[in-house]
Amino acid sequence: GAGVSQSPSNKVTEKGKDVELRCDPISGHTALYWYRQRLGQGLEFLIYFQGNSAPDKSGLPSDRFSAERTGESVSTLTIQRTQQEDSAVYLCASSLGPAGANVLTFGAGSRLTVL
Amino acid sequence: ILNVEQSPQSLHVQEGDSTNFTCSFPSSNFYALHWYRWETAKSPEALFVMTLNGDEKKKGRISATLNTKEGYSYLYIKGSQPEDSATYLCASSGSARQLTFGSGTQLTVLP
Repeated sequence: GAGVSQSPSNKVTEKGKDVELRCDPISGHTALYWYRQRLGQGLEFLIYFQGNSAPDKSGLPSDRFSAERTGESVSTLTIQRTQQEDSAVYLCASSLGPAGANVLTFGAGSRLTVL
Repeated sequence: ILNVEQSPQSLHVQEGDSTNFTCSFPSSNFYALHWYRWETAKSPEALFVMTLNGDEKKKGRISATLNTKEGYSYLYIKGSQPEDSATYLCASSGSARQLTFGSGTQLTVLP
């Protein structure tokens, strides 16, 4: 597609429920990143995919968070047993290669609210 | 993990004023420096990627400089317009794949 698509754009869930957030990167972009922004804070790195593998998942805050990427395309970020501190905007970005010197193209984000 | 600091945290300027913000990052192990603009209800949009000490980039009224030896980058906006109102993010990488963002400078341009 022309840009990075994320769904859902907004998700309200109850504490303890599982959520899945989806990212469709730009076709041909081999690198895919997940970040989140909690209220009043900066962008926090979560995980990086190169192709379908994740050489850097150091930012995942707990084992409740997992992510996968298939077909060197779509990625899904799953949060199990959501907690209120998981409330944030979750941003996906893709780039032609690793982001060191490659521009990231961001999606519009998925706003997660955990009640 | 890199520590990327941006200042000021927020800024109000009058239309027509020129302004600048600072991004500081660890100068050791530097790979690249990115600037993004993030308008409310939109996606962050790339402005510049710089890799070499002394790099200067320009896009319309916006320009940026890079000093990798001392670990800072400046973003300048000349003749600010209300449509420049946004959060300006910088991000630094110490390797080919890790990109760490600062907390941003929130700019409001008053008409």
